[in-house]
Formats: sequence, C-alpha cells, structure tokens
Amino acid sequence: GQNIDQPTEMTATEGAIVQINCTYQTSGFNGLFWYQQHAGEAPTFLSYNVLDGLEEKGRFSSFLSRSKGYSYLLLKELQMKDSASYLCAVRRNTDKLIFGTGTRLQVFP
Amino acid sequence: GAGVSQSPSNKVTEKGKDVELRCDPISGHTALYWYRQRLGQGLEFLIYFQGNSAPDKSGLPSDRFSAERTGESVSTLTIQRTQQEDSAVYLCASSPWDYYNEQFFGPGTRLTVL
Repeated sequence: GQNIDQPTEMTATEGAIVQINCTYQTSGFNGLFWYQQHAGEAPTFLSYNVLDGLEEKGRFSSFLSRSKGYSYLLLKELQMKDSASYLCAVRRNTDKLIFGTGTRLQVFP
Repeated sequence: GAGVSQSPSNKVTEKGKDVELRCDPISGHTALYWYRQRLGQGLEFLIYFQGNSAPDKSGLPSDRFSAERTGESVSTLTIQRTQQEDSAVYLCASSPWDYYNEQFFGPGTRLTVL
C-alpha cells in the first residue's frame, strides 16, 4: 500500500524560514513532487525530486532521502502570498501521483 | 498558451441525478488524470488515461463513476445517481508523458449534491 504523512497546519512569520516535512511509504517509488495550492485554486507545481539530495529553485528548495522515505520543502524569506496549502505527492512506477493531505501554511506579518 | 480547462466550474444537482464533468487538456498532452478533493482534504486519485486508454481505474469509488476520453483529447467524468458524499471539487490534470511527467491542473469543477 501507500501512505504519505505531512503536518496538517503550520504557521510562520513574514521573512522567516519554514520547513514542511513529508514522509512516505510506497512501493514502486519513482519521484516526489511538491505542489502549492491557494484556497479555491488548482494546485501548481513547485518541485520534483527523484534522486537523493537538495533541489534549489529561488526561495524554495526541496530535499529527498529515498532510504528514509523522507522529503522536505524549505521556504525562505517568507512572504504573505506564501500562505497556502503545500501538497506532497509520490509517483508510483511511471504513472499516477499519490497525494498527501497537504500542509496548510499561514504566514503572519 | 491555453492551460487545462474544465466545465462547468460549478454544478449543483439533486441527489439521484446524473452529472457529466468535462476536461480539456493541454494540446499534445497524452496523459490525463482525474482527482477528487473534498473540503479541507488532499487530492484523491480517481483514474488516469494514457491516450484514450485507462490503465488505472483503481481510484473510482464505485460503479456509479465512469470516465472516457476521445481523440486523445477531451475527457468526461460521469457520476450516476449522485449522492451527497459525491460533493467535492473534481480536478483534472494533464501531462506530456515524458520522464519528468509534471502534471498541469485545471481549475476544477465544484460539485454540490443537495
């Protein structure tokens, strides 16, 4: 089977750094995605990891450890517009994504 | 360029009625996915298409749910005899089916079953 765990909610202050963790158990692992979803909108792609290590993209970075079944999304220099849900999704084999329930991040001034 | 579009954006129906939801993927994207998202919850995989074939229907919750895709383009998700628990946002995504396989999501159809 598959299981993906993320914290339900997190809060942080504008300008700070926040790390959102995701742990997973799945067979046929073939990559991990992070998506951002603002309330009432569709998810948008943030990052993709298939090899161990850190992928950096501007203010956002994503890390993967396949042996530990663990990933995190790091958001730096937080802005108010970063308030959203962050969805961790694992790709099984070569096709579908299995999504976690998402982490709702609230950024305060 | 045009993204994934879905129609209708909102649908209110009475319990027991059938509904049809439409998805127009990005042109040239061979893979198409349907997800359901209940209020405050994550995305629940329903079905995916590679071309016009559906290799994985494992997420369809019951035989009231069906989907088809034609011309390797538009897809329709049909829910028969709707129930209140079917109320959710139904999201469609398409992908170019390369190694990267990033999925591009449409705006969703919000279905409310009274």
